[in-house]
Amino acid sequence: DTAVSQTPKYLVTQMGNDKSIKCEQNLGHDTMYWYKQDSKKFLKIMFSYNNKELIINETVPNRFSPKSPDKAHLNLHINSLELGDSAVYFCASTPGASGGMNTGELFFGEGSRLTVL
Amino acid sequence: AQSVTQPDIHITVSEGASLELRCNYSYGATPYLFWYVQSPGQGLQLLLKYFSGDTLVQGIKGFEAEFKRSQSSFNLRKPSVHWSDAAEYFCAVNTGFQKLVFGTGTRLLVSP
Repeated sequence: DTAVSQTPKYLVTQMGNDKSIKCEQNLGHDTMYWYKQDSKKFLKIMFSYNNKELIINETVPNRFSPKSPDKAHLNLHINSLELGDSAVYFCASTPGASGGMNTGELFFGEGSRLTVL
Repeated sequence: AQSVTQPDIHITVSEGASLELRCNYSYGATPYLFWYVQSPGQGLQLLLKYFSGDTLVQGIKGFEAEFKRSQSSFNLRKPSVHWSDAAEYFCAVNTGFQKLVFGTGTRLLVSP
């Protein structure tokens, strides 16, 4: 059973297009994240949702719009793709603050490699 | 601001030799610290974590790390490296508000 799953794993598209990446976790966690990993492997948080509510939004262009239909899903939609959006996007989840101390341990998906041509 | 520094971009170790990867953090309170490993084309996997208590923590795959408050360090060690340990290693600190900040990573290369 895959705990945090992302689709698609690879995505190649043209500049200006709109694309979405989906994420689902079956761990029963309250909090989900999107991280971006650039070509130098640097990992930067983009968004975080807790029980479908946005709690972290890190100066990401508004072309990026996360959506959480329920606490097990966090999707990322990107409008008007640019060359600089090429990266690996990781979804992650954590148990969250509800129900006890949250230590911040993240469980990651395998990543979605986005290439913008 | 909270931050994590991994001073070594890449390290090469001979198979069977010992390994130490450095990590320094900047955080006002007692931090929650983590080491993650990323194999090529894969997501990140937790190796070990420190929250409180014993400053020497054991992780998976024979890794351990030692929290040293006086040096603001959380270095990762392994006594004998295997070729399968070649990967990217990330140190991270929980800054509170359910947010992990990662270091820039250290690529480990293992030579025969």
